[in-house]
Amino acid sequence: ETGVTQSPTHLIKTRGQQVTLRCSSQSGHNTVSWYQQALGQGPQFIFQYYREEENGRGNFPPRFSGLQFPNYSSELNVNALELDDSALYLCASSRQGKQEKLFFGSGTQLSVL
Amino acid sequence: DQQVKQNSPSLSVQEGRISILNCDYTNSMFDYFLWYKKYPAEGPTFLISISSIKDKNEDGRFTVFLNKSAKHLSLHIVPSQPGDSAVYFCAASVPNAGNMLTFGGGTRLMVKP
Repeated sequence: ETGVTQSPTHLIKTRGQQVTLRCSSQSGHNTVSWYQQALGQGPQFIFQYYREEENGRGNFPPRFSGLQFPNYSSELNVNALELDDSALYLCASSRQGKQEKLFFGSGTQLSVL
Repeated sequence: DQQVKQNSPSLSVQEGRISILNCDYTNSMFDYFLWYKKYPAEGPTFLISISSIKDKNEDGRFTVFLNKSAKHLSLHIVPSQPGDSAVYFCAASVPNAGNMLTFGGGTRLMVKP
């Protein structure tokens, strides 16, 4: 059974650029969610995808968008990068349902200069 | 507005003793609570959870206590081991919110040999 994998592990971008982060879900999981973890803080929910549709979103602007593919892998896209977007981006997969455990990947560390 | 707070950024405990990590929340709609552990360069891993219909849940060395009237939960680790040294996050979810979690800011636990 493969776990959640994310790519790339590290990324450096400049302000105003666009970035795409990728995530492969754990085998058997059909739901993927993305979290942003700023330095010294806890993860903050960005959005969740189920059956290739967004079915929940946190307090993030529309320039944060995502996709889920038929194989349940996912992308997080961020447009018009800002300095405050510098953070660890975590992907988590789970089965759909109430109180299912989230399994996290190791994250992508994004630095915006 | 931080709905889940961990007021102790760090905790140091001697090996073999009890570690008590605390978490407070403000949203009375939360009905499910979890603890995650995070090692450097890894994603958070699920540790233990508790539903709001219970006040205690135990799993080996780990016990979570929930005091709904005080909107407080705690994680007890007995006995503490050096391998328990990590950042611990408490998290909570509301009903019918899928697996969207609200995390606290984390507590760094250091267990000294």
